Amino acid sequence: DTGVSQDPRHKITKRGQNVTFRCDPISEHNRLYWYRQTLGQGPEFLTYFQNEAQLEKSRLLSDRFSAERPKGSFSTLEIQRTEQGDSAMYLCASSLGPALSGGNTGELFFGEGSRLTVL
Amino acid sequence: KQEVTQIPAALSVPEGENLVLNCSFTDSAIYNLQWFRQDPGKGLTSLLLIQSSQREQTSGRLNASLDKSSGRSTLYIAASQPGDSATYLCAVSGGRMDSSYKLIFGSGTRLLVRP
Repeated sequence: DTGVSQDPRHKITKRGQNVTFRCDPISEHNRLYWYRQTLGQGPEFLTYFQNEAQLEKSRLLSDRFSAERPKGSFSTLEIQRTEQGDSAMYLCASSLGPALSGGNTGELFFGEGSRLTVL
Repeated sequence: KQEVTQIPAALSVPEGENLVLNCSFTDSAIYNLQWFRQDPGKGLTSLLLIQSSQREQTSGRLNASLDKSSGRSTLYIAASQPGDSATYLCAVSGGRMDSSYKLIFGSGTRLLVRP
């Protein structure tokens, strides 16, 4: 399977615990995006990377959230001291950045998501 | 700030009907527009992508149009089937001063096709 993969698919945790999600993008994609989706809403942008550089962070990404992409391949999203309001689906997507292909459509490809439930 | 609105929020139709889902966006300087399908508890499946220079794209029973100047897109589904029941999401990327390709999503239209 050469698509975007996310792990774990489901995570149940108690309030106050830390959780970490992993995303493996499509191998040749240099851009990676994290989104959060709550029930009945569209996904909301959290942050994105070009290679290992984190280029933009949404104001939704509070101090308890940290994302990394240390080698420009997979990425992790960590939530510290989880709160019930963090319960959501966390989606990862990847794409080619504009420099890699003159014919790039900018299409984003999404993984299946990691569902977090905070009790 | 780019905002995306989808109307209607929910739609219930009998099998076989043709239907139109609407999407509007506030900043016309987009790079592209994507339509996605999402089944309950699942990730996003890309249906169609329209680049800013294009006016429409077709895939099977689906046709998406784009009118960038008016900030509107429609997704047309022909001869709907119960298997089309899902949430359909519209998203745009780009906008003034934005080269990130990040997508801004609408809240979706929940479609139910009744047998």
